[in-house]
Amino acid sequence: EVQLVESGGGLVQPGGSLRLSCAASGFTFSSYDMHWVRQATGKGLEWVSTIGTAGDPYYPGSVKGRFTISRENAKNSLYLQMNSLRAGDTAVYYCACGAAGTGAPTHWGQGTLVTVSS
Amino acid sequence: EIVMTQSPATLSVSPGERATLSCRASQSLSSNLAWYQQKPGQAPRLLIYGASTRATGIPARFSGSGSGTEFTLTISSLQSEDFAVYYCQQYNNWPYTFGQGTKLEIK
Repeated sequence: EVQLVESGGGLVQPGGSLRLSCAASGFTFSSYDMHWVRQATGKGLEWVSTIGTAGDPYYPGSVKGRFTISRENAKNSLYLQMNSLRAGDTAVYYCACGAAGTGAPTHWGQGTLVTVSS
Repeated sequence: EIVMTQSPATLSVSPGERATLSCRASQSLSSNLAWYQQKPGQAPRLLIYGASTRATGIPARFSGSGSGTEFTLTISSLQSEDFAVYYCQQYNNWPYTFGQGTKLEIK
């Protein structure tokens, strides 16, 4: 059974940093594209980042230069380093996985809440 | 960035009836379009990818159609567990983008 478990969320001040982790199990982690998607309370879904099997990262303009996605295949783990956090980054962050080269994740974690506030 | 527009924002349908949800893209996606279902407090669940292929374990009452810029999700004979928010998502161009969602509520 595929399982994705996020951790690392919490309360951080504006301008601060946070590192999210996603522990994966139940599939061949190295063969899957991995994604981060976020959702502010009561709002829609927003793509945050994708990393392919070759380690190639993708970011939308809203987080480019502030967020860094990485993966550690030996540990079946995905990470999201978030710097220069803003109030607008407050959201539940979901980890998701999908077959390599496809952009529609088949499995999602339950999310971790990041709150940026003073 | 491709803008995805879903309509209507809210759809009220009685159990057992058919629901039709629409999604329009600001530029052609070919068939690189997915649909997700999300219930309160839960993660999204993939329903459809490739515009019309059901994901593993998705009931046959869910069907997707369309290509280019116009797409439709149809749920035939609504069950109580189908009332939720539905999102379309394009993965034809980076950055991937979602529609704003359609809330399917009980009439």
